[in-house]
Amino acid sequence: ETGVTQTPRHLVMGMTNKKSLKCEQHLGHNAMYWYKQSAKKPLELMFVYSLEERVENNSVPSRFSPECPNSSHLFLHLHTLQPEDSALYLCASSQYPGQGGYGYTFGSGTRLTVV
Amino acid sequence: AQTVTQSQPEMSVQEAETVTLSCTYDTSESDYYLFWYKQPPSRQMILVIRQEAYKQQNATENRFSVNFQKAAKSFSLKISDSQLGDAAMYFCATGANSKLTFGKGITLSVRP
Repeated sequence: ETGVTQTPRHLVMGMTNKKSLKCEQHLGHNAMYWYKQSAKKPLELMFVYSLEERVENNSVPSRFSPECPNSSHLFLHLHTLQPEDSALYLCASSQYPGQGGYGYTFGSGTRLTVV
Repeated sequence: AQTVTQSQPEMSVQEAETVTLSCTYDTSESDYYLFWYKQPPSRQMILVIRQEAYKQQNATENRFSVNFQKAAKSFSLKISDSQLGDAAMYFCATGANSKLTFGKGITLSVRP
């Protein structure tokens, strides 16, 4: 399997639930990213991992907790979310740093609904 | 810091016609890249075309081409011979050191 794979594709969770989003890449990239996509807003960068170390956290609430156990896998652990956290969560991978010219490869996202 | 502005939320084009999607950006980087991504209903963002800011020649990929005006910080996408499969959201992005900043996107519809 190639590319970036995200699971689950859809997720509905209550505000008191705990769930996790998973992302896997088979491209040999060394950086992975979580983005939040909300309607009528630019994509918001949430977390950046390079060589399994977090290099950027754009002031994301602590109810979102990332984990990168190796360069191929990335998780986003969710707990006590709010309805405004409902969005499409996109994972991406790339070579980092210095090769930003090649852009990212994205997964198909997880559509999260918080009820 | 980088910002990307896509001021048109929606556009429509007749099949086989040409359409241009606008984008302006601002960046403090001296070495950067520009991208257009397509997001169809399948939701996966697909790279359409990229441009190195240090190159004056406009990038072209088959029916897709850009008009890069560096001084004006403008980076528009032209789609020629529009096809039904071109209907999607299109995002403009600027990147440096592997960090991409995206615009809000534009929804393109194609009329048969």
